[in-house]
Amino acid sequence: DVKVTQSSRYLVKRTGEKVFLECVQDMDHENMFWYRQDPGLGLRLIYFSYDVKMKEKGDIPEGYSVSREKKERFSLILESASTNQTSMYLCASSIDRVRETQYFGPGTRLLVL
Amino acid sequence: AQTVTQSQPEMSVQEAETVTLSCTYDTSESDYYLFWYKQPPSRQMILVIRQEAYKQQNATENRFSVNFQKAAKSFSLKISDSQLGDAAMYFCAYVYGGATNKLIFGTGTLLAVQP
Repeated sequence: DVKVTQSSRYLVKRTGEKVFLECVQDMDHENMFWYRQDPGLGLRLIYFSYDVKMKEKGDIPEGYSVSREKKERFSLILESASTNQTSMYLCASSIDRVRETQYFGPGTRLLVL
Repeated sequence: AQTVTQSQPEMSVQEAETVTLSCTYDTSESDYYLFWYKQPPSRQMILVIRQEAYKQQNATENRFSVNFQKAAKSFSLKISDSQLGDAAMYFCAYVYGGATNKLIFGTGTLLAVQP
């Protein structure tokens, strides 16, 4: 079974802090994704990566950056956390960018005070 | 713009009964894929079912089936013989089969299963 893990289930940070969310997948997937999930808005794509050191902006990249130094690991960085970044963050991976299933991690619920 | 609409924020079904969750999408493309994902409470999101737009036959996975109406741009999910474990948030999602793919999600339908 594909396993996607995220470094924290719950995180509390203060406004202005730099926040790192890490995601690791164990299936040698090329593609990795970061979403945020908010009630009534569904999932929105922040960034995705289709190869090591490659990244593309999603629909809501402002205030975020990403890093993919190794194939299995994809990090989401909040450069200066703000209260409007309080959300659930989901990481996913897939073999193919388009037609294949995305496998999701358990999510990180981030609260920014 | 490509959009996915789930018009039912919440649904409820009795155990062992059948329920249908609605999803419509807007696209001008002919090559695309549709998905239903399930997110149980405090658990990971998993794929329920997947449909290729070029296939006329509706996808089925055990108790889960879809009614794919391409002309109407409708992709509903039918759950037969509902079980308590089916209680979850269900998301419909669309992806265009082109170079710049992004999985576009609907806002979700929260399904409750009554014993």
